[in-house]
Amino acid sequence: GQQLNQSPQSMFIQEGEDVSMNCTSSSIFNTWLWYKQDPGEGPVLLIALYKAGELTSNGRLTAQFGITRKDSFLNISASIPSDVGIYFCAGLGNTGNQFYFGTGTSLTVIP
Amino acid sequence: EAQVTQNPRYLITVTGKKLTVTCSQNMNHEYMSWYRQDPGLGLRQIYYSMNVEVTDKGDVPEGYKVSRKEKRNFPLILESPSPNQTSLYFCASSSSGGAFGTQYFGPGTRLLVL
Repeated sequence: GQQLNQSPQSMFIQEGEDVSMNCTSSSIFNTWLWYKQDPGEGPVLLIALYKAGELTSNGRLTAQFGITRKDSFLNISASIPSDVGIYFCAGLGNTGNQFYFGTGTSLTVIP
Repeated sequence: EAQVTQNPRYLITVTGKKLTVTCSQNMNHEYMSWYRQDPGLGLRQIYYSMNVEVTDKGDVPEGYKVSRKEKRNFPLILESPSPNQTSLYFCASSSSGGAFGTQYFGPGTRLLVL
């Protein structure tokens, strides 16, 4: 299957700091998605990106669809304790129906 | 309340004993999907369904079966479970194929195969 690599694997930051994480793929995707998973729950969609170069924000979150269509980036500004969780990127395959998820970035925010 | 439900939430079984994990959604969504989540591997798609009686293999379908006889239900069947199927399983649904429909995930089913 297609491999999506996320980095960093984990992050420990102070409350108030900004966070950056990225996702790279060996294949081109036409849609990139970012999800957050809280402990003991299923992932929840944060941002969806549909066009190369697109920059989309959702509150303190901003995500970008890389120009090459093989990568995407997520930034969180002014982190707060409730940002704790695992963040996953996902790409939608060519058929538009099959999803490929990244390996996840675990975020810990220290108050 | 709009939701995806899964049952059971936790299951311990033995190798070879057939089991079914149920998934149901009350949002009239066409698209439903099953994933497994393993440490360091993220989520991997097992099977998905675009609509009733339409199912397709995802990235890791081996050892699993699904059926979609009704729009709201999408059970995952393990005919002969093996220890390497020990995992956390998620069901998800969306109003259309992935491109424009937000996927809603269930709470997860934690399976241990001895």
